[in-house]
Amino acid sequence: EVQLAQSGAEVKKPGGSLKISCKGSGYNFANYWIGWVRQMPGIGLEWMGSIYPGDSDTRYSPSFQGQVTISADKSISTAYLQWSSLKASDTAMYYCVRHPSGRFSNWFDPWGQGTLVTVSS
Amino acid sequence: EIVLTQSPGTLSLSPGERATLSCRASQSITNNYLAWYQQKPGQAPRLLIFAASIRATGIPDRFSGSGSGTDFTLTISRLEPEDFAVYYCQQYVNSPPLTFGGGTKVEIK
Repeated sequence: EVQLAQSGAEVKKPGGSLKISCKGSGYNFANYWIGWVRQMPGIGLEWMGSIYPGDSDTRYSPSFQGQVTISADKSISTAYLQWSSLKASDTAMYYCVRHPSGRFSNWFDPWGQGTLVTVSS
Repeated sequence: EIVLTQSPGTLSLSPGERATLSCRASQSITNNYLAWYQQKPGQAPRLLIFAASIRATGIPDRFSGSGSGTDFTLTISRLEPEDFAVYYCQQYVNSPPLTFGGGTKVEIK
């Protein structure tokens, strides 16, 4: 069974740094794009960006380019989402998702369970 | 960027009724590259439909997707209690960015 397991909830102060993770299992991690989707409290879904672990090709939404960094370590089947300077507006649930057919232009399946990030002083 | 507009924002129906949800795109979605997801409170979204009309594995046949070009529809033929949730459409024609609609909440009347 294909599964994505995300790291636990985080509480951080504004200006702090953070790196959350998503570990894939049940498939060849290197051969499928992995993305990140943000859901702010009570709001809809926003695709942030995706990475192809096989060659680290990374594509970002213009809304998130320069605001976050997406990376992956295919040796341990794990993708990461990283912030260097958090803002209160980064408070949200973050989901990792797999692009299931191996192509970039794809739907998302499965979804990780989500990582809640709270940024507050 | 392709903008997806979902309507209505909220749909109030009773169990057993038919639900019709709309997703309209700002430009044509080629190859029917449109997906639908269901999200229940406190849960991650779940894929229902891809390629506009293909049900994902394990999705009951009361869920169906249709449409082409700029107008797409998700239909739930007879609402079950577990179907009351928020539904999102997503396009994957070109990117970045891959985009979602704003969602339709199906609530119990």
